[in-house]
Amino acid sequence: DAGITQSPRYKITETGRQVTLMCHQTWSHSYMFWYRQDLGHGLRLIYYSAAADITDKGEVPDGYVVSRSKTENFPLTLESATRSQTSVYFCASTRGQDEGNQPQHFGDGTRLSIL
Amino acid sequence: AQSVTQLDSQVPVFEEAPVELRCNYSSSVSVYLFWYVQYPNQGLQLLLKYLSGSTLVESINGFEAEFNKSQTSFHLRKPSVHISDTAEYFCAVSYSGGYQKVTFGIGTKLQVIP
Repeated sequence: DAGITQSPRYKITETGRQVTLMCHQTWSHSYMFWYRQDLGHGLRLIYYSAAADITDKGEVPDGYVVSRSKTENFPLTLESATRSQTSVYFCASTRGQDEGNQPQHFGDGTRLSIL
Repeated sequence: AQSVTQLDSQVPVFEEAPVELRCNYSSSVSVYLFWYVQYPNQGLQLLLKYLSGSTLVESINGFEAEFNKSQTSFHLRKPSVHISDTAEYFCAVSYSGGYQKVTFGIGTKLQVIP
């Protein structure tokens, strides 16, 4: 049971570069999410996806792009990285339909530093 | 819109002492409530949840939380903490028809002192 995996676990890059964070889940969960975790802010939703080819913005989407061509993958791209995007990024997934009563399953995170 | 307030950013407590981590929420509709735990360098894991029915819910490792609708609270308690409970705890709320979107509190760091 591989669950949900994120790669890389750690990444250092420079401002202006493009970087892609990968997320893969083996449960065939419908919903997938990207969060960023920052001190004093908890987790903030960046983007989410209800199914393949269906994505929508969360609370802090600016500067990020997502795609979901396959149910199991949900990559997050920073098109031109900025220092304010230094953070820990978590991918999560959950089964179920539109009800909000399903717990989310999280990956172990990607720690991204932008110099 | 819904929101979650965790009143304490850090809670130090001696081993074997009781602890309460406070969580208040606001929402204009029926809610689902969750507590997640995060150990260092890991993602969040579900600790317990309230969906409906009994207002007191329990986890397998001795934590419990009580849904109080009148006070819009979902405080987490444990009668006797262990060193291994040292972690960060997040309260979260979602709602019926909410398309699985969850609002998280900012977290409370529980530090158990030997």
